[in-house]
Amino acid sequence: KAGVTQTPRYLIKTRGQQVTLSCSPISGHRSVSWYQQTPGQGLQFLFEYFSETQRNKGNFPGRFSGRQFSNSRSEMNVSTLELGDSALYLCASSNTGLETQYFGPGTRLLVL
Amino acid sequence: AQSVTQPDIHITVSEGASLELRCNYSYGATPYLFWYVQSPGQGLQLLLKYFSGDTLVQGIKGFEAEFKRSQSSFNLRKPSVHWSDAAEYFCAVGTPNTGNQFYFGTGTSLTVIP
Repeated sequence: KAGVTQTPRYLIKTRGQQVTLSCSPISGHRSVSWYQQTPGQGLQFLFEYFSETQRNKGNFPGRFSGRQFSNSRSEMNVSTLELGDSALYLCASSNTGLETQYFGPGTRLLVL
Repeated sequence: AQSVTQPDIHITVSEGASLELRCNYSYGATPYLFWYVQSPGQGLQLLLKYFSGDTLVQGIKGFEAEFKRSQSSFNLRKPSVHWSDAAEYFCAVGTPNTGNQFYFGTGTSLTVIP
């Protein structure tokens, strides 16, 4: 089975712009979770989608949003980018969300 | 509130020496427990997991972990470290009774010296 894929792998944006990141889960997995990883804060949970519905949400501002499509692929959007949004964004998939999460390689976002 | 603590930010061990990485959690019930490893610039790879049953679990790359309910701990061990084990290690907790959410520790960075 192919693993979790994330595109793009690297991204450079400027403050105020918006960005969309994509995640394709392992085939058959219906749960997709997003995390932000920074050196200072570690791994922070953004949100989880299951069968096209947001099921859990972390403590991030409304500038961070996401969605999931019928084929379980998920996108994450960040609007009005700030310098502090520079991070590695990781996507993880699992069958129902309760068991093992399998991570993608991440998208490294740099905001200038 | 649920939390995961990895008290050691950084550990240095000699190649061939034994290793133990600590993980403590705060959760009212028995959580699902995981250890992940992350190499620089990469995603997280699952080393092992505990859901129920035998409290000593074996994982990949020669790692094992022991769940101790009385201590709310899930420490990761390896009897003989290899240079390729140098990486960041994350303990994670899944909370099936409170919204299926995962909580990660802040990670332990492992350096292996020859």
